[in-house]
Amino acid sequence: DSGVTQTPKHLITATGQRVTLRCSPRSGDLSVYWYQQSLDQGLQFLIQYYNGEERAKGNILERFSAQQFPDLHSELNLSSLELGDSALYFCASSPSAGYYEQYFGPGTRLTVT
Amino acid sequence: AQTVTQSQPEMSVQEAETVTLSCTYDTSENNYYLFWYKQPPSRQMILVIRQEAYKQQNATENRFSVNFQKAAKSFSLKISDSQLGDTAMYFCVVEGFMMYSGGGADGLTFGKGTHLIIQP
Repeated sequence: DSGVTQTPKHLITATGQRVTLRCSPRSGDLSVYWYQQSLDQGLQFLIQYYNGEERAKGNILERFSAQQFPDLHSELNLSSLELGDSALYFCASSPSAGYYEQYFGPGTRLTVT
Repeated sequence: AQTVTQSQPEMSVQEAETVTLSCTYDTSENNYYLFWYKQPPSRQMILVIRQEAYKQQNATENRFSVNFQKAAKSFSLKISDSQLGDTAMYFCVVEGFMMYSGGGADGLTFGKGTHLIIQP
């Protein structure tokens, strides 16, 4: 158990819908990262938050957004969902903004039908 | 941008054998970290080992060790006395300097992975 929690474990929704994925980092970790794992794209970094502020952006679509709250939990919002958004979404946390190993949550499996 | 290449999509060895997974990477950064993560069938992403690029000494963690060749940008993982529980997808990962939002991000870059199967 990494100490990072993600909810829900599984999510099935229809195209065009909007969903929110939630992540709680390990106790004491200030950085939260979001990743998308799909069969065709592999594992891709989406976005990082550090102590409530957006720190870095990767391959995140404009339809996707995230935030980190004062209690350091984070939410990833996915809107106008398409079939291609079906993937495993991981959250990871680390103590600081970089140069630390990241501890991954169990992931949220999103299926868009 | 950073790139990571894992040239072995799948490998299969017998239990108790030693196996080496290869990885090459490219980065323009001077300061970076390298990691191997494993992803068993449970899909949980688990850190195996890490290496700081400024350290010449190769990292070891019990049965896992790396061969880090900075000039060649090579970072292979050796698993000794392989066990059935080592069966997993193994990802080579490079972490470079994280630029602030708006400046792009190199961040954590994953290879495509090597599916390692340990046969009984």
